[in-house]
Amino acid sequence: AQTVTQSQPEMSVQEAETVTLSCTYDTSENNYYLFWYKQPPSRQMILVIRQEAYKQQNATENRFSVNFQKAAKSFSLKISDSQLGDTAMYFCAFMNTNAGKSTFGDGTTLTVKP
Amino acid sequence: NAGVTQTPKFRILKIGQSMTLQCAQDMNHNYMYWYRQDPGMGLKLIYYSVGAGITDKGEVPNGYNVSRSTTEDFPLRLELAAPSQTSVYFCAITRQGATSMTEAFFGQGTRLTVV
Repeated sequence: AQTVTQSQPEMSVQEAETVTLSCTYDTSENNYYLFWYKQPPSRQMILVIRQEAYKQQNATENRFSVNFQKAAKSFSLKISDSQLGDTAMYFCAFMNTNAGKSTFGDGTTLTVKP
Repeated sequence: NAGVTQTPKFRILKIGQSMTLQCAQDMNHNYMYWYRQDPGMGLKLIYYSVGAGITDKGEVPNGYNVSRSTTEDFPLRLELAAPSQTSVYFCAITRQGATSMTEAFFGQGTRLTVV
């Protein structure tokens, strides 16, 4: 079974600054997917970024990028130029290739301060 | 294209009552899932389905049942509601493509309170 650990229950950052959210996971599989999802107060789960384990290049999506360290089983999310709308709960998720089942971390609540 | 539609959005049940949470998708994705999210926690997998007629247990299946008679629908049944089932329930879908899987697409969630 996989486990996903987010060691930062809460974080805050000033608007326009950069913040990094941490995620580590444990698995014996070699092929899998990793995701960061955003959950605002509306509780809708929104995809932020995805990473395929077989790709060495770190994924980027506009202001969002990841640092994927496969050997260390680490998958951190960097948010640049933080905006007030980034305030939300962020979940790291591991998806296996067996029916696409996902394991989620317990989340990091991010507050962007004006 | 509505994506994933869950009904109802909110529900209060009394202990021992039963209900069905509905999930419907119009994206023709083959895989469907039910997760629950307890306060301050991540999502945990209850049941999943890889196609019509095929279902399997996830991490926390006790107290729930599912069925999947069509590609579009994946209802979750609570037979005897207990306070421990107070949670937010999410239905999600993914698709296995030729070379990779999509990310999970989620419904808006159902907030269930058992009193």
